[in-house]
Amino acid sequence: GQQVMQIPQYQHVQEGEDFTTYCNSSTTLSNIQWYKQRPGGHPVFLIQLVKSGEVKKQKRLTFQFGEAKKNSSLHITATQTTDVGTYFCAGRGETSGSRLTFGEGTQLTVNP
Amino acid sequence: GAVVSQHPSRVICKSGTSVKIECRSLDFQATTMFWYRQFPKKSLMLMATSNEGSKATYEQGVEKDKFLINHASLTLSTLTVTSAHPEDSSFYICSASRGHLNTEAFFGQGTRLTVV
Repeated sequence: GQQVMQIPQYQHVQEGEDFTTYCNSSTTLSNIQWYKQRPGGHPVFLIQLVKSGEVKKQKRLTFQFGEAKKNSSLHITATQTTDVGTYFCAGRGETSGSRLTFGEGTQLTVNP
Repeated sequence: GAVVSQHPSRVICKSGTSVKIECRSLDFQATTMFWYRQFPKKSLMLMATSNEGSKATYEQGVEKDKFLINHASLTLSTLTVTSAHPEDSSFYICSASRGHLNTEAFFGQGTRLTVV
């Protein structure tokens, strides 16, 4: 079945440093979504990418969808303590009715 | 944005008892809802897909007789953990999407279940 792998599992940065998490799927995706889960909270939707090679930005966050639609990345520029949390990618397969498969998540901690 | 409400947020129960968790879509109709289990510092593990008016679809390895799912209306799905044991202690979370499945998932607040 479809597998979504995400690296790294943990990332510790100093405030102001950049951060990137990568997501790879075993199969071609119709779309990929990114979520953020704060400690003790529930996942909150950040963005969805649909087109091959798509790049979207949200302030300091940049999301990319690979040309082959099998990988994606989330890059945060100049991290802040408010960026702390676990970032999950979630991919949906191309076949009709495919469910969302979540990656393992990357837990980000930011030292002030 | 759409809101999904999950109740209770925390529950402590004795071994052998059953616990019911509710998931409601507050401002949209959800023909499909999803139930996940999340272990500490781990990802979301899909347990089952709840379908309004029909039987839930369980993922491999999830006991359907232990985790009973009922989706009686377009805005409510329930997960009942039957004869709970300490190993069932976990964070259970539901999600629903508005309309077509190729849209964002809205998550409930989650339920922290502790079985003593």
